[in-house]
Amino acid sequence: DIVMTQSPLSLPVTLGQPASISCRSSQSLVHSDGNTYLTWFQQRPGQSPRRLIYKVSNRDSGVPDRFTGSGSGTDFTLKISRVEAEDVGVYYCLQGTQWPPWTFGQGTKVEIQ
Amino acid sequence: QVQMVESGGGVVQPGGSLRLSCAASGFTLFNFGMHWVRQVPGKGLEWVAVIWSDGNLKHYTDSVKGRFTVSRDISKNTVYLQMDSLRVEDTAVYYCAREQLGVGPDYWGQGTLVTVSS
Repeated sequence: DIVMTQSPLSLPVTLGQPASISCRSSQSLVHSDGNTYLTWFQQRPGQSPRRLIYKVSNRDSGVPDRFTGSGSGTDFTLKISRVEAEDVGVYYCLQGTQWPPWTFGQGTKVEIQ
Repeated sequence: QVQMVESGGGVVQPGGSLRLSCAASGFTLFNFGMHWVRQVPGKGLEWVAVIWSDGNLKHYTDSVKGRFTVSRDISKNTVYLQMDSLRVEDTAVYYCAREQLGVGPDYWGQGTLVTVSS
């Protein structure tokens, strides 16, 4: 199984400042079809997960452009250019290249300091 | 709009059974698969099972193989998760999440809490 490792697990941020979350996979996430199936989810307190980014860098409809996904192979990053209060929550990466199982990272808790 | 509503959660004793339902609207299960993902309160997300759009291909995480069964009723546009031989460690919020045509889960339901306790 592919293991997904996120860092940091806790990220105190200042409003208006940038934030960055790392996600590393134990194997390359490049699929034989040429795509890389790395997804980012946001889970606000008390809510279900919401997809932000799919296939590394494709932003979902309605997701603010301050969220950017990047990376390749085994190393991926979610960046928030300027953190807003509504960004508080836990962020998860998910690999869907080699399944089953689909595997999530442990989650990164973003909070305002 | 795309929506999934889970139901069927509750409190059950170890060794017992529950059937969760995931009623979908805004799309048809003919064209989309459905994942089940669980989350122990306060902890991370764990993938549990998937049923693909053909209705026949299914996969499970190792810890539930032989105990959980995923199925669907096209006429009701509903996916089910039959959970047998439940264990304390199955306690979690169970979400259904639509599979976006090979890309991975996109839309999620609100979840239903399953508590396995004596």
